[in-house]
Amino acid sequence: DAGITQSPRHKVTETGTPVTLRCHQTENHRYMYWYRQDPGHGLRLIHYSYGVKDTDKGEVSDGYSVSRSKTEDFLLTLESATSSQTSVYFCAISRTDLYGYTFGSGTRLTVV
Amino acid sequence: DAKTTQPTSMDCAEGRAANLPCNHSTISGNEYVYWYRQIHSQGPQYIIHGLKNNETNEMASLIITEDRKSSTLILPHATLRDTAVYYCIVRVVRNNAGNMLTFGGGTRLMVKP
Repeated sequence: DAGITQSPRHKVTETGTPVTLRCHQTENHRYMYWYRQDPGHGLRLIHYSYGVKDTDKGEVSDGYSVSRSKTEDFLLTLESATSSQTSVYFCAISRTDLYGYTFGSGTRLTVV
Repeated sequence: DAKTTQPTSMDCAEGRAANLPCNHSTISGNEYVYWYRQIHSQGPQYIIHGLKNNETNEMASLIITEDRKSSTLILPHATLRDTAVYYCIVRVVRNNAGNMLTFGGGTRLMVKP
């Protein structure tokens, strides 16, 4: 998607290892979000950020941490990956809360 | 945020208008109606949003009833590439953070040749 990239696109990792997913934007948008998508659960918010160093928890934040040291980057870390964290992770950005979100292409994470 | 009800699936002939309904009978005065879609394995895509008035952009039109309890997303000339899951979301717009998008089940639109 224009202005937002996620890396890596695919990752396989072992249970118990830390994993960091990166979301990078070139739009200078204030708001950034991490969602996960699982069959039967739809999209669920993990964490979000409303500015540099300003972050807060979403509805499924356990086992995840985030950091935003620059406007353009929002990192999602799985502190000790578990099989239940196997999912597709989407990052999203928005200029203000009123405007629609732009989503990235997703990261497919498999924890074995 | 108010709950929404959408049909699970719909079919539409290619080239015809696709009309996707959404019921949000418990919507409050400060809640906006948003529509997103998700094409298979891609990230959701914002389509349109509105508060009271009907809205139109290059992708679609949004018709909101006068009592705001329901709305319809119209894709004027559906193509095969419009096959996707369409989500209707009702939410309050806040000045600071803390507002998430809550995706329900959506409507699976199948555009057929």
